[in-house]
Amino acid sequence: GQQVMQIPQYQHVQEGEDFTTYCNSSTTLSNIQWYKQRPGGHPVFLIQLVKSGEVKKQKRLTFQFGEAKKNSSLHITATQTTDVGTYFCARVFGNEKLTFGTGTRLTIIP
Amino acid sequence: GAVVSQHPSRVICKSGTSVKIECRSLDFQATTMFWYRQFPKKSLMLMATSNEGSKATYEQGVEKDKFLINHASLTLSTLTVTSAHPEDSSFYICSARDPFGQGGGYTFGSGTRLTVV
Repeated sequence: GQQVMQIPQYQHVQEGEDFTTYCNSSTTLSNIQWYKQRPGGHPVFLIQLVKSGEVKKQKRLTFQFGEAKKNSSLHITATQTTDVGTYFCARVFGNEKLTFGTGTRLTIIP
Repeated sequence: GAVVSQHPSRVICKSGTSVKIECRSLDFQATTMFWYRQFPKKSLMLMATSNEGSKATYEQGVEKDKFLINHASLTLSTLTVTSAHPEDSSFYICSARDPFGQGGGYTFGSGTRLTVV
């Protein structure tokens, strides 16, 4: 399957600033999942979105699924140093294969 | 929550030797596990789907004879890198999904950093 593209590839923000990463697909997605991978670590599941236009929040994190189910975004409000890492969107295929987007690496300037 | 244990975390081996990596689901049964490979500052690339009691399904371009996968029980999958070469040096990670878990997410092992010298 086609890899889902994410932008930007890298993002450097001052601590306290907001951060957004976007996930785009040329085909309709049945669902989208988001993961965070800290430097040197492994991916950790954050959330799954299934419905068109769905919005979910986890404290300072807001996740959106586009109306056409071809894009998704993750927005972090008032970043903290603990937010450092690479954020991946991922899609689940029919036989439950999970394939990852290209990722956005977030660094925080204290 | 669901826990996936992966061992070893780091391994250094000589060219031409084989390395086995284990992936265990500790508190749930997994009929399917997944193996990924990740190069520095890159995304995770799915290598193969490990199926309990049957042959693994490999992604296009992945050599099945080089990356042997065995899923002999509902809680254990192994990946053996055979006749390793320096270009096989990478970060290998396994994952599985708890069928009764909430949220639908996959749980990942802590990964194995393989260095072939």
